[in-house]
Amino acid sequence: NAGVTQTPKFRVLKTGQSMTLLCAQDMNHEYMYWYRQDPGMGLRLIHYSVGEGTTAKGEVPDGYNVSRLKKQNFLLGLESAAPSQTSVYFCASSYSTTGSEQYFGPGTRLTVT
Amino acid sequence: AQKVTQAQTEISVVEKEDVTLDCVYETRDTTYYLFWYKQPPSGELVFLIRRNSFDEQNEISGRYSWNFQKSTSSFNFTITASQVVDSAVYFCALTGWGGASGGYQKVTFGTGTKLQVIP
Repeated sequence: NAGVTQTPKFRVLKTGQSMTLLCAQDMNHEYMYWYRQDPGMGLRLIHYSVGEGTTAKGEVPDGYNVSRLKKQNFLLGLESAAPSQTSVYFCASSYSTTGSEQYFGPGTRLTVT
Repeated sequence: AQKVTQAQTEISVVEKEDVTLDCVYETRDTTYYLFWYKQPPSGELVFLIRRNSFDEQNEISGRYSWNFQKSTSSFNFTITASQVVDSAVYFCALTGWGGASGGYQKVTFGTGTKLQVIP
């Protein structure tokens, strides 16, 4: 099992450009999440999904969109990148039972200049 | 509202020393779950342990042990005889219980404690 994978691993964007981050999991998990990690701020939830075809906003959703067309994939889009979106992005997945631990991908380091 | 506080931003210890990472939480839920995750320099977060609010027994796994005390709202993590491979950022996290209907419950992460083990 590959677990949770993310592509790309690194990306540099210019302000105003768009991009999509792809997350894939092979554990048949219902729940999937996108977080961003910034120094001194821990992990902050951007968007999440409780099943195929459903998405919901997390703590910091502005400037991001997501889609979950297939159960195993969760896409994070930046329509018009801003320097404030420079961060490390983590995808995670979990079983749908309450209190389940999350399994994380390796992260994507995004720099917006 | 949920809150997780990891007051120790960075800790440095010499190899073979014991070290305790503190985690203090706040929640209004009577049923909840606590977690610890490890983020080594490679970047990927790895799940270490989960505790539910009804189980205050201490847990030991090799050199790792966890002390859960509801009276002080703390879930501390001790590494005995630390090793260089323990160098990482450690996150404590908290989630509530969704009740009989279940469903997604928000997970709140602390800001992490960076542990450096010096050889």
